[in-house]
Amino acid sequence: GDSVTQMEGPVTLSEEAFLTINCTYTATGYPSLFWYVQYPGEGLQLLLKATKADDKGSNKGFEATYRKETTSFHLEKGSVQVSDSAVYFCALRSSGGFKTIFGAGTRPFVKA
Amino acid sequence: EAGVAQSPRYKIIEKRQSVAFWCNPISGHATLYWYQQILGQGPKLLIQFQNNGVVDDSQLPKDRFSAERLKGVDSTLKIQPAKLEDSAVYLCASSQDRGELFFGSGTQLSVL
Repeated sequence: GDSVTQMEGPVTLSEEAFLTINCTYTATGYPSLFWYVQYPGEGLQLLLKATKADDKGSNKGFEATYRKETTSFHLEKGSVQVSDSAVYFCALRSSGGFKTIFGAGTRPFVKA
Repeated sequence: EAGVAQSPRYKIIEKRQSVAFWCNPISGHATLYWYQQILGQGPKLLIQFQNNGVVDDSQLPKDRFSAERLKGVDSTLKIQPAKLEDSAVYLCASSQDRGELFFGSGTQLSVL
C-alpha cells in the first residue's frame, strides 16, 4: 500500500542555518504531495503542496519539489528561525483521492 | 471563516469506560476525517466520510470504535470500552474536494 517515510528527529540546528527534512514515498499512480506543520498547542495546518511531477510548492520561505524519479518531496528552508520550531509532516493523497497518509513527523530544534 | 471545531479539548478516563468526541467541520466541506495521533507518530486515518456516507473505515477497530455523521455535518466518534493503548490525540479534519485538509485542535485522551 501507499506509504510515506520521513527522516527521524530530533534535528538540532542554529538560527539562520539551512534546513532539509527528507521525505520519500511509495504509491501507485500519481499522488499529490503535502507538507503540514504543527506548532506547539495547535492543530496541523497545510504548509505547501505539489500535485504533479516537477511542481514546486513554496510558502513562508519553505520549498519542496515533487521528484517522481526519486519518489521524494524534501522540505527545505534557507535560513531557519527559532519560530520555525514545530513538527513537520510529509503526506500524500492517493491518486484516487480517497485517503491522505502521513509520515511520522520531524521536529527540528532551532537554537538562537 | 470558522475553522473545524472539536470538543472536548482534554479527556481523562479509566480503562473500560466509554468516551465520545464531537466535531463540527467547516461549513460546506463534504468530506470529514477522524485521525488518531499517538505520541511521536503521524496521524493515522480511522474513518473518512463523504457527506454522511463512509468512504473508508478500514483501520477503525470496529469492536470498540464507532463513528457517525448525521445529516452530513457534525460527527461523533465513540470508544467503548476504552483500552490503555487508546491514549492519543484524536484529530478531526474536513476538506472541500478531497484536497487540502483543515484540522481542528484535537482531543487529547488519556486512558488510565
